[in-house]
Parts: sequence; C-alpha cells; structure tokens
Amino acid sequence: DIQMTQSPSSLSASVGDRVTITCRASQTISSYLNWYQHHAGKAPKLLIYAASTLQTGVPPRFSGSGSGTDFTLTISSLQPEDFATYYCQQSYIIPFTFGPGTKVDIK
Amino acid sequence: QVHLVQSGAEVKRPGASVKVSCQVSGGTLPEFSMHWVRQAPGKGLEWMGDFDAYSGETVSAPKFQGRVHMAADPSTDTASMELRSLGSEDTAIYYCATPTASGALDLWGQGTLVSVSS
Repeated sequence: DIQMTQSPSSLSASVGDRVTITCRASQTISSYLNWYQHHAGKAPKLLIYAASTLQTGVPPRFSGSGSGTDFTLTISSLQPEDFATYYCQQSYIIPFTFGPGTKVDIK
Repeated sequence: QVHLVQSGAEVKRPGASVKVSCQVSGGTLPEFSMHWVRQAPGKGLEWMGDFDAYSGETVSAPKFQGRVHMAADPSTDTASMELRSLGSEDTAIYYCATPTASGALDLWGQGTLVSVSS
C-alpha cells in the first residue's frame, strides 16, 4: 500500500493567516492527489483534485501544488469556516489511502 | 442535483454483521462506482473499497478482504456495504462516496454511525 504522511498533524492559526499543509506519498503518485476538508459531524468535502485543480464551488483562497511524492495545500487567508481537519488522499493505486489528517484550530 | 442518502444508525453486538445502504437520489446508480470510507472515533478517514455498479466488480482494501461485501441494486438505485464479524474496532461512521474520473471523491453520503458493543 502507498503510505501517506502529512505535516503538521495540527496547527493553530488566526483568521487571515496563510496556512500551508504538506503531504508526502511513500512512492510516486503522479498528480493523483486529492485534498478534503472535514468538519466533525459532517461529510468530508472535496477541495482539490489532481493535485492542483480546484473543485467547483470551492473558494480560490484554497490552492494545491506538487507532483510525484510531495504536495502542498495552501489557504491564502484563513476564514472562520476553514477551521477543520484536512486530509490528503492518493487515487493512483488501490487502496486509495488517506493521510492521517491535519487539524487546523483557532489560535 | 444528485444526492447520496444513507441508512440510519446501527448498534450491533461483536461478531454480528451490519449492512449500510446508500441510495442515489436525482441520478441512477449504474452511472457511478461507489466507494466506502469510514472514520472511527478520534481517528482519520479510512478507505474501505469500491464497487462498480456497471461492471459488478469490487475492490477492497486488504484489511477488509474476506469480511466486506459490496453490492448494488439498480432497480432501487441503492448501493450497499456489508461488514461481517464485527469487533469494537469497527465502531465508526461509514460513508458512501462517488468518484471523479481521477478517483477523487466528490459526492458523499451523510454518513451512518455503526456502534459495536456487547
């Protein structure tokens, strides 16, 4: 199985901050990397697919980059509704493994 | 607009089986493959497997092989996931989700809580 790691595991930030989350795959996954936002008690929400393509309806303050094994999710200006847990997921090889998540909370 | 509507919460004893259903509303099931993801309390998201309603093929993560059965009923536009030999570690919220062409999961059900307790 491809192992996905994320860093940091958690971070505290303020509204308006720029936030960067990194995701690393244990082997190359080309650009088959997706990012999700998850609020507790709700279904996960797809933010970015194919490493850098913004899902329809997702605000442009979210962006993704990377290819191969190293990827980044950036939130350019954190908003109150962005406090959540973020997961990366590879969809290159089954099983489509998720990273362990990065919890973003209020400083 | 397409929605995925899942069945209600379940409480099961260890060793039992549970079946979670996921109905496609506003669309037809054969258009989709259906993935299943779960989240145990305090844990992250875990991909379980996917079922292609058109081809009838199932692929599951190694840890669930032999214990999970996925199916679909085109007449009711409903997919299902049955997990057998439940243990306390199977207590989780189970989600169905449909993929984009690249495998990203863009449409999710609301989740079904399965609690396993003696």
